[in-house]
Amino acid sequence: QVQLQESGPGLVKPSQTLSLTCTVSGGSISSGSYYWSWIRQPAGKGLEWIGRIYTSGSTNYNPSLKSRVTISVDTSKNQFSLKLSSVTAADTAVYYCARTTSVVVIAFDYWGQGTLVTVSS
Amino acid sequence: DIQMTQSPSSLSASVGDRVTITCQASQDISNYLNWYQQKPGKAPKLLIYDASNLETGVPSRFSGSGSGTDFTFTISSLQPEDIATYYCQQYDNLPQTFGQGTKLEIK
Repeated sequence: QVQLQESGPGLVKPSQTLSLTCTVSGGSISSGSYYWSWIRQPAGKGLEWIGRIYTSGSTNYNPSLKSRVTISVDTSKNQFSLKLSSVTAADTAVYYCARTTSVVVIAFDYWGQGTLVTVSS
Repeated sequence: DIQMTQSPSSLSASVGDRVTITCQASQDISNYLNWYQQKPGKAPKLLIYDASNLETGVPSRFSGSGSGTDFTFTISSLQPEDIATYYCQQYDNLPQTFGQGTKLEIK
C-alpha cells in the first residue's frame, strides 16, 4: 500500500521560500509510470493543482505559479519536493502531495494527509 | 485554463435519496473527468475516473456519466457517511483544474 507524507515548516514569512517534502513509502518513487503532484487548498476553498514531476524528472507547472515553483525528486530518499518562492498571504493553504494512477489516466489515487502552511510575519 | 463549473454549490438531502451533481467544462474534455469526495480535515478520495469508471473499493451506489462538456455524478441512495464535499477534475489539458466543489449535507 503506497503512502505519502508531507513534511516541512508550518509557518513561512512573506517573501520567503516555502519548502515541502513528500516521502513515499510502500513502493519506489522511480518504479512504474506515475506523476507525482503537489496540490493546495486554502481554508474553505477549492483545490488548485500546483505542478507535477515524472519519474524521469520532467516537470509541468501551473502557469499561474510557474515563475515561483520548483518541483524536484530525490529517488535515493524516495521523496519529491516543492519550493514556492516569494510567498504572500495568498499562499496560505493546506498543501497535499499526490500520485496519479498512471500517465494515461491522470487521476489522483494516493494522497498525503496534507500539511497546513501559513504565510505570516 | 479549462473552467469546471459544478452545480449546485451545496445540497441538502435525506438518507436514501438519489443525489445528482453536475459538472460542466468550458470546452470539450472528452471523458477526461474524475470525481473526488473530501471529508472535513481529510485529503480528497478518488471515486470515479474517466467519467464513469468506479475506483476499486468504492461502493456501487456512486456512479458517473457524461462526455464532452457535461458530466453527472450520482449517489443512488444517500448514506450518512456520504456527507462530504465533492469535486470534479479535468485532465484533458494542463493545468488540471477542479470544480469549485459541491457540499452535501443531510436534511
